[in-house]
Amino acid sequence: QKEVEQDPGPLSVPEGAIVSLNCTYSNSAFQYFMWYRQYSRKGPELLMYTYSSGNKEDGRFTAQVDKSSKYISLFIRDSQPSDSATYLCAMSAYRDFGNEKLTFGTGTRLTIIP
Amino acid sequence: DVKVTQSSRYLVKRTGEKVFLECVQDMDHENMFWYRQDPGLGLRLIYFSYDVKMKEKGDIPEGYSVSREKKERFSLILESASTNQTSMYLCASRTGLYNEQFFGPGTRLTVL
Repeated sequence: QKEVEQDPGPLSVPEGAIVSLNCTYSNSAFQYFMWYRQYSRKGPELLMYTYSSGNKEDGRFTAQVDKSSKYISLFIRDSQPSDSATYLCAMSAYRDFGNEKLTFGTGTRLTIIP
Repeated sequence: DVKVTQSSRYLVKRTGEKVFLECVQDMDHENMFWYRQDPGLGLRLIYFSYDVKMKEKGDIPEGYSVSREKKERFSLILESASTNQTSMYLCASRTGLYNEQFFGPGTRLTVL
């Protein structure tokens, strides 16, 4: 079983819809969670970072963490065609341990239909 | 803003060639990473370095080596390229304090 599971999609939604992207994990030591956005043929860019259970909002994006269920989500409100990309979740057990590695999900490909 | 650059966006090499992929970051980050990304497999860590001249194997180091002679530069070396090394290669860096990683644009390598 993979430590981090993410539905690969593809996911297609109409412009303006609310998008929900999810990851589940099995390692209860994970405390820090990130979402990356990757446009086609580009490197991933950090979108959101959170370490506590609950919601964190940044513009149209909301990251949600439920540590009791080992489940994280990224919500995109008022989705735009420019949101079409692959979204990767990533997580780790520590924030400030020098050799700490990130564990990534495989990514969900999202297409917003105009 | 953090800037991570990679020497080539696209590269085509022949089987058996020695291949060098270069990565440079301009934020004085201590840690640097090399990943490969393949459909359905996601990002897999090849090697990482937490200091100059220091390196550690990641999850899939076979067939690769790395070099970090200067803090800002981390090179990935394919000693003898093979077709199963055709992939997207991504470099990342981060500070020694926090674990958010910042990625370069990637090098799409094709080995014929």
